[in-house]
Amino acid sequence: AQSVTQLGSHVSVSEGALVLLRCNYSSSVPPYLFWYVQYPNQGLQLLLKYTSAATLVKGINGFEAEFKKSETSFHLTKPSAHMSDAAEYFCAVTPNAGNMLTFGGGTRLMVKP
Amino acid sequence: EAGVAQSPRYKIIEKRQSVAFWCNPISGHATLYWYQQILGQGPKLLIQFQNNGVVDDSQLPKDRFSAERLKGVDSTLKIQPAKLEDSAVYLCASSLDRTGQAFFGQGTRLTVV
Repeated sequence: AQSVTQLGSHVSVSEGALVLLRCNYSSSVPPYLFWYVQYPNQGLQLLLKYTSAATLVKGINGFEAEFKKSETSFHLTKPSAHMSDAAEYFCAVTPNAGNMLTFGGGTRLMVKP
Repeated sequence: EAGVAQSPRYKIIEKRQSVAFWCNPISGHATLYWYQQILGQGPKLLIQFQNNGVVDDSQLPKDRFSAERLKGVDSTLKIQPAKLEDSAVYLCASSLDRTGQAFFGQGTRLTVV
């Protein structure tokens, strides 16, 4: 079985500041890990995914995430926040290449001007 | 390319009534998923179809929920009878196959009163 924990249900940063959204996972097998973004009243959009290739994964909109097996973490970062980054972010895990995802509880990112 | 279409966008029903949601996946996508997203939580997979067959429905509350994808294209999810705790956003997603990127629809927001 696998599970995902996202530390901090709400994160607030100033525009231009570093964004760090935390995700820790548990999985009995090497995991595939994902970050999704959800804007208000919209569906989920894939930001990036880790599939056992490079541990540093670059995604859309300037986001990236680093897979750290020793820490069972897959934190999402962006060097400089933009107002348009305000949304809810979900980390997800699956034990194989399929899409039967287990999601974390989400982190709402707020960006202050 | 058209995305995943869902209808209705919003639905309000009284408890013990029945309701149905419709999903039309991206053309050519063999795999279809239904997720339930309760307010403040991450999405939870309810059922996965591969063409018109069920791959996994282990988390579908079968006493009241049912889903079908008769022709391997569009799908319906039904709840009968609805309970207050069924209030959630129901997300449909599709992918070319089980390992391809999943694309999500905007969801149907169900409120049970």
